[in-house]
Amino acid sequence: AQKVTQAQTEISVVEKEDVTLDCVYETRDTTYYLFWYKQPPSGELVFLIRRNSFDEQNEISGRYSWNFQKSTSSFNFTITASQVVDSAVYFCALSGERTYKYIFGTGTRLKVLA
Amino acid sequence: DGGITQSPKYLFRKEGQNVTLSCEQNLNHDAMYWYRQDPGQGLRLIYYSQIVNDFQKGDIAEGYSVSREKKESFPLTVTSAQKNPTAFYLCASGQGSPTEAFFGQGTRLTVV
Repeated sequence: AQKVTQAQTEISVVEKEDVTLDCVYETRDTTYYLFWYKQPPSGELVFLIRRNSFDEQNEISGRYSWNFQKSTSSFNFTITASQVVDSAVYFCALSGERTYKYIFGTGTRLKVLA
Repeated sequence: DGGITQSPKYLFRKEGQNVTLSCEQNLNHDAMYWYRQDPGQGLRLIYYSQIVNDFQKGDIAEGYSVSREKKESFPLTVTSAQKNPTAFYLCASGQGSPTEAFFGQGTRLTVV
């Protein structure tokens, strides 16, 4: 069975602090894909990143970075120097190689205070 | 612009009524999905369709029905059999795994 766990329900930080959102996944597939989405107050989920199971390189995009570790089945997301506009709910998701289903975690609500 | 359009944005339903949520995409994606979002429960898959005229149940399909007569359209009907339909409903499309899914802005359904 596939499962995604986001243990942090809500995180509050002060602007300019760094923050890490945790994601732990379970799958028996050897090939799988991991995603992060951002859900701002408007409701629409915005795609942030996709990572396949064979690529463990960390990725950085501006203030965003992702740490993928197969050994611990984790795909954590770090925002550096957080800003108020980063306030949103963030979802981690998992998909298999031949499945059209995306399994989502319960999300982490990030509040960045000015 | 390419994207996914969900309508209406807000919908109110009386108990015992069926309602249909619209989802249209012009991204030429083969796969479409319906998710339900409740506070603290993340997104749960209701139905998904990989191609026209074909669809599969997700994890919480009871009380819902769908059709996929056209590639660009995947309407969701919330039937009176759905005991607790008040939720936020999100439609998505994609070219299937491993590509990312694209989401609409959602429909908030409230039973009154």
